[in-house]
Amino acid sequence: AQSVTQLDSQVPVFEEAPVELRCNYSSSVSVYLFWYVQYPNQGLQLLLKYLSGSTLVKGINGFEAEFNKSQTSFHLRKPSVHISDTAEYFCAVSSSGGYQKVTFGTGTKLQVIP
Amino acid sequence: DTEVTQTPKHLVMGMTNKKSLKCEQHMGHRAMYWYKQKAKKPPELMFVYSYEKLSINESVPSRFSPECPNSSLLNLHLHALQPEDSALYLCASRPRTSGGADTGELFFGEGSRLTVL
Repeated sequence: AQSVTQLDSQVPVFEEAPVELRCNYSSSVSVYLFWYVQYPNQGLQLLLKYLSGSTLVKGINGFEAEFNKSQTSFHLRKPSVHISDTAEYFCAVSSSGGYQKVTFGTGTKLQVIP
Repeated sequence: DTEVTQTPKHLVMGMTNKKSLKCEQHMGHRAMYWYKQKAKKPPELMFVYSYEKLSINESVPSRFSPECPNSSLLNLHLHALQPEDSALYLCASRPRTSGGADTGELFFGEGSRLTVL
């Protein structure tokens, strides 16, 4: 079984400030990890993914995430946020064995304050 | 073409109606998904089709009936729905390649917003 925990339901941050959105996962096998962003009334868009290799992953819109196997974490970071980053962010996990099933965390609403 | 197209974008139906949601992709992806998303909640997996065969059914009520007529098309037939079924229904596709080269990324459509009266 696999699961994802996003502890922060909302994260307010001032424009141009750095931000970190936290994600912890649980799985008994190797995993693929993802961050998706959802803007209001839209579908989900992939920000970045970790499959293997380098633990620091860079994505679109200046976001990056670091895979930490010992802490089972995959936190998302951006050094300077913009108003347009206001959205819902979902962490997701897919086990490399039963790879058809993708499980999403409960989401974190990033609210950028002007 | 890197799009997943869902129609209609909005649907209002009564509890006795029969309607369908449609999803189409032309990226050659061989796995297609239906998710249900309630407001301020994460997407919940409903069904997965792999190579046009139903491979995952997450104990979804029979009033939802999926269909995959070909590798590009996925339908969700709706009948006798309840008001609590009102939600955003998201379709996604995923590359499935032999030799284990599946990256796991899902490509989502913009969703069909369903309201059941």
